[in-house]
Amino acid sequence: SAVISQKPSRDICQRGTSLTIQCQVDSQVTMMFWYRQQPGQSLTLIATANQGSEATYESGFVIDKFPISRPNLTFSTLTVSNMSPEDSSIYLCSAEGAGLLGYGYTFGSGTRLTVV
Amino acid sequence: LAKTTQPISMDSYEGQEVNITCSHNNIATNDYITWYQQFPSQGPRFIIQGYKTKVTNEVASLFIPADRKSSTLSLPRVSLSDTAVYYCLVGDEGDYKLSFGAGTTVTVRA
Repeated sequence: SAVISQKPSRDICQRGTSLTIQCQVDSQVTMMFWYRQQPGQSLTLIATANQGSEATYESGFVIDKFPISRPNLTFSTLTVSNMSPEDSSIYLCSAEGAGLLGYGYTFGSGTRLTVV
Repeated sequence: LAKTTQPISMDSYEGQEVNITCSHNNIATNDYITWYQQFPSQGPRFIIQGYKTKVTNEVASLFIPADRKSSTLSLPRVSLSDTAVYYCLVGDEGDYKLSFGAGTTVTVRA
């Protein structure tokens, strides 16, 4: 399975500012995903990062708030824009595995964001 | 994607076997069952995947009865380091987006 490096691992940000999270995969992957995990909760898919085209967002998430870049097959960024305390959460990126649904999908260690 | 139901939490002791059952009554013919493990402050990690009967790897075993409406993840001889949240997911190869339920928090005590 691919290995993912995600940074920063944590950050404390002022409300109204933006934070960009980077996700680097050690091999080329077709699909990359961004998730949010609020404290004590499960993971919620934010969007699928598509190489060469706009990201595909899930219901409740919009591009203006969470712009995503995917410049190549090994890298993606997620920006959390105009942050408010409600955006405090863990953000994780993921890359597809080599087989069927969920088989070998890899996750980064997450970015713990606190907005004050 | 088929909905899954798991116990919220389970407690165990070191050296015991832990069995987590996941219900997926609406599983479709082409659906597979996949389990992930998440330690605190880490992203989820793929454990095992199966379609029917039994699958075993170095980490766990997955038991799937003939009707496939449930599955059981078995963790043999757990240690303190197996304390984690375990997620059961169901979907087919066309479902590339993972849908996580609440998961089961397994706490292993000395």
